[in-house]
Amino acid sequence: AAGVIQSPRHLIKEKRETATLKCYPIPRHDTVYWYQQGPGQDPQFLISFYEKMQSDKGSIPDRFSAQQFSDYHSELNMSSLELGDSALYFCASSLDPGTLGNEQFFGPGTRLTVL
Amino acid sequence: GQNIDQPTEMTATEGAIVQINCTYQTSGFNGLFWYQQHAGEAPTFLSYNVLDGLEEKGRFSSFLSRSKGYSYLLLKELQMKDSASYLCAVRDGGQNFVFGPGTRLSVLP
Repeated sequence: AAGVIQSPRHLIKEKRETATLKCYPIPRHDTVYWYQQGPGQDPQFLISFYEKMQSDKGSIPDRFSAQQFSDYHSELNMSSLELGDSALYFCASSLDPGTLGNEQFFGPGTRLTVL
Repeated sequence: GQNIDQPTEMTATEGAIVQINCTYQTSGFNGLFWYQQHAGEAPTFLSYNVLDGLEEKGRFSSFLSRSKGYSYLLLKELQMKDSASYLCAVRDGGQNFVFGPGTRLSVLP
């Protein structure tokens, strides 16, 4: 079965650079979530999209932005990178969040290292 | 505010039974999920509860009491491969997932 695809899997950037992470949800999933997970920490919700519109916003820094495109893939854009942005970034997808019980399926994550 | 509590670490012996508790206080409630996460890997779904009671799924069971804001994950016949972090997550009134800090379970031979 198709899973959530994230690219790249690993990314190394320097401080003040920009990065773009991509997420391709499971086919027919219209909702995408982005999470940041630091070492030894639980996933922190950043932002979510439903039907190409932002549905909710969590602890996403102003330096970050995201969008969902017409094919439902999503991109997380990160600018002015800081050392503290080094983390595992997960994307998850689900069906219409209004339907109870629709679990999130997580992608393998993108490991971002900021030097 | 949103708050989910779980024990930080637990240790159990292979073949035993272990119960991982989770208490939550969230803005609205639309279900509670348990995920397993091995180090450096993505969380994988284990169970879902939206109504009070016990949901059983093979070696794993999950219980929910909405009035108490409480859930537990029960793992039976523990295997070494069950050593992982177990995340309790609540879907709040805004349909967003709020994760707990995770419980790191170590299964010993």
